[in-house]
Amino acid sequence: GAGVSQSPRYKVAKRGQDVALRCDPISGHVSLFWYQQALGQGPEFLTYFQNEAQLDKSGLPSDRFFAERPEGSVSTLKIQRTQQEDSAVYLCASSITTNTEAFFGQGTRLTVV
Amino acid sequence: AQSVTQLDSQVPVFEEAPVELRCNYSSSVSVYLFWYVQYPNQGLQLLLKYLSGSTLVKGINGFEAEFNKSQTSFHLRKPSVHISDTAEYFCAVRAGLTSGTYKYIFGTGTRLKVLA
Repeated sequence: GAGVSQSPRYKVAKRGQDVALRCDPISGHVSLFWYQQALGQGPEFLTYFQNEAQLDKSGLPSDRFFAERPEGSVSTLKIQRTQQEDSAVYLCASSITTNTEAFFGQGTRLTVV
Repeated sequence: AQSVTQLDSQVPVFEEAPVELRCNYSSSVSVYLFWYVQYPNQGLQLLLKYLSGSTLVKGINGFEAEFNKSQTSFHLRKPSVHISDTAEYFCAVRAGLTSGTYKYIFGTGTRLKVLA
């Protein structure tokens, strides 16, 4: 595709519900990142994939957060038993190599009520 | 650890006036630096990047930035702003880790408000 695509754009979840956020990176991009952006803050790193391998998940805030990229293209960020503090915009980005810029999607705004 | 500091949380400026948004970074290794812009309810759009070479980098929409290694700065400038430049601006550094992975570390952002 022409850019990084994320779906859904908006998600409202009841506290305790599980959610899945999808990211379609730019075709051929090896690196994929997930970021969390709280209101009025900068993006905070969650996790990094190189192809299908999750090489860094140090930013995932708890074991309720899980990400996968099974075939090295589409990625899913799953949040189990959502809590109010999970409310944020979740941004996905991809990069063709380690020495270039990351391209970001428009994000998924998650609101937990 | 690498980090990015954006000292100004908000910068109001009149239309057609010049603007500078400040960014300082900390890094003990070679750096790759970026400026992104975020419009309301949108993702991040790359304005410009410094990977190597000339320290003066030109980007889209008339923006430019200068990499200053001695001052560990990468300030963003525009000689004449437009109303449409009103947005949130983020400075970022690419942090390479010893494990062979890498990530982008962002500052807290500067909200540019262009006034008519």
